[in-house]
Amino acid sequence: EVHLVESGGGLVQPGGSLRLSCAASGFTFSNYWMHWVRQPPGKGLVWVSRVSPDGTDTNYADSVKGRITISRDNAGNSVNLQMNNLRAEDTAVYYCVRLNRVGKLSDYLYYYGMDVWGQGTTVTVSS
Amino acid sequence: EVVLTQSPGTLSLSPGERATLSCRASHSVTSNYLAWYQQKLGLPPRLLIYGASSRATGIPDRFSGSGSGTDFTLTITRLEPEDFAVYYCLRSDTSPMYTFGQGTRLEIK
Repeated sequence: EVHLVESGGGLVQPGGSLRLSCAASGFTFSNYWMHWVRQPPGKGLVWVSRVSPDGTDTNYADSVKGRITISRDNAGNSVNLQMNNLRAEDTAVYYCVRLNRVGKLSDYLYYYGMDVWGQGTTVTVSS
Repeated sequence: EVVLTQSPGTLSLSPGERATLSCRASHSVTSNYLAWYQQKLGLPPRLLIYGASSRATGIPDRFSGSGSGTDFTLTITRLEPEDFAVYYCLRSDTSPMYTFGQGTRLEIK
């Protein structure tokens, strides 16, 4: 069965750091783009970052650029999120997400969907 | 700025009724790269619809998506008790950036 399990969340002071990890199982991890999506308490979903299957291509939301680094270990089937200089507005549940090819648009183009989500890990930034 | 606006914010209906949820984009969505997700309380989201109108694996046919350009709709015919949740739209044509709508809460009347 396909699983994503996040860890590493906790309480941290403003300006502090945390490293989130996501352990994947049940699929060929190295074939997929992996994303992090966060959800502040009582609010909606916000895309944070993504990493390519081989780890060489990464992208970030403007709100976290320069403070957060995504990486992956394909040998260990994990994806990580190093979070530095944390702010109160980073307080959220952080979800690890798999992006999968889910449908065909044309001979060469496909639709992709976030089809597997972890249960989330909670990050609280507060003094 | 790329924005998705969902309406209504909250929709109150009874089981068996039909739900119509809207997602409007500030800029036209290319090739219908628009998806819908369902999130129940305390759980992660679940992919419902991709490509604006295609159901994801295992999604019941009472869920349907439609629309193109800037206006998209998620319709749930004959609401079941388990359908009451929060629904989000997501556009991915502006990759590498992804934009979610703010969500519509579907509650039992």
